Order: sequence, then C-alpha cells, then structure tokens
Amino acid sequence: GEDVEQSLFLSVREGDSSVINCTYTDSSSTYLYWYKQEPGAGLQLLTYIFSNMDMKQDQRLTVLLNKKDKHLSLRIADTQTGDSAIYFCAVPSGGYNKLIFGAGTRLAVHP
Amino acid sequence: GAGVSQSPSNKVTEKGKDVELRCDPISGHTALYWYRQSLGQGLEFLIYFQGNSAPDKSGLPSDRFSAERTGGSVSTLTIQRTQQEDSAVYLCASSLRRDGVTDTQYFGPGTRLTVL
Repeated sequence: GEDVEQSLFLSVREGDSSVINCTYTDSSSTYLYWYKQEPGAGLQLLTYIFSNMDMKQDQRLTVLLNKKDKHLSLRIADTQTGDSAIYFCAVPSGGYNKLIFGAGTRLAVHP
Repeated sequence: GAGVSQSPSNKVTEKGKDVELRCDPISGHTALYWYRQSLGQGLEFLIYFQGNSAPDKSGLPSDRFSAERTGGSVSTLTIQRTQQEDSAVYLCASSLRRDGVTDTQYFGPGTRLTVL
C-alpha cells in the first residue's frame, strides 16, 4: 500500500526559510496535500498541488513536486513563530477514498 | 459557512463502556471520513462514506468499531467495550467528492477519547 515518509523535526530561526520534505510511494496520486496542525487543534488544509505541476506558490508557501523521485516539499519563506506547528504531507489512496498521512514534521521557530 | 463539527470535544470513559462520537459534515459535502490520531500510530484512516454507496470500512481496527451515516449527513462512530488502546483523537473530515475536481478533505476539530 501507499507509504508516506517525513522527517520528524525541524528547527529554524525566525525570518529564515523552512523546508519540509516528504516522499511517497504511490505514483498514481493526482493531488498531494499539506496540512497544518497547531497544538490542541484539528487539521487545517494548508495547500495542495496537482501532479502535473512542478511548483505551486501561494504567498509565503512554495510547494515543489518531483514526480519522478516521488518527492514533495513545502517551503515557508520568512518563517514566523506563528508557523510553529506540525506539518503533515498527505497522499490520496484507493481512488480518493482515504488520505495516507506522513508522521508529521514538527516545526519549531526560535528567535 | 460552518465547517465540520464534532462532539463531544473530549470524552473520558471507563474500560469496557461503549462510546458514541458524532460528526456534522460541511453542508452539501457528499463524502465523509473518519480518521484516528494516536501517539503510536499517527493518523490512520478508519472509514469512508460516499452518498448511498456501501462504506469503505477497510480501516476499522476491530469489530468493536462501527459507524453509520444517517440521511447522507450526520455520522456517528461507535466504539463498543472500549479498551485503553482506543485512547486517541478521532477526526472527521468531509469533501465534495466530485469527479474531475480536487477532492479536498476538510477536517473537524476532533474528539479526544480517553479510556481509563
């Protein structure tokens, strides 16, 4: 079945860029998602990318997709303390019936 | 409009008791999903409802877990004879589920279940 992997922890200085990486196994996925979870809160959709795109930019967020290597990344420019959260990469499986999530990357932003 | 809502937000129960968790999807969304988030297992898919089709129950961990969706809207997840390993946050999501359109899932705030 589908497997999604992420590094577990990232620490950055406020104002720097953050890059969170994700690899997946199912090449048939047409949309790939990034969700954000703040402490004690549910999952917030951050952004998504269609598989025929290499890059998508949305304000401070840039998503890069390397479909050949099955690698997805999320770049946050000018990282702020409010960006501290857990970021999940999610890939649909089973004809969109379910999302397979990575373990989540905890982003810590320090002054 | 309103997002996905879930109730209760927190539930503490004793081992062996039954619990019911409720989800109200976004109005007009035809697809509804349940996931579980636990420390040891991360985020796991449990069950999926789409319109009048038979649900995809492939993620339910045991026959103590069941779910129903009434009138194509509200869903209830029932856990019978709860065990301590059932302690987790149970998340509900809904989506429009239209072919050819991104089927983005929107999540509720979750129900934190603690089994003592």
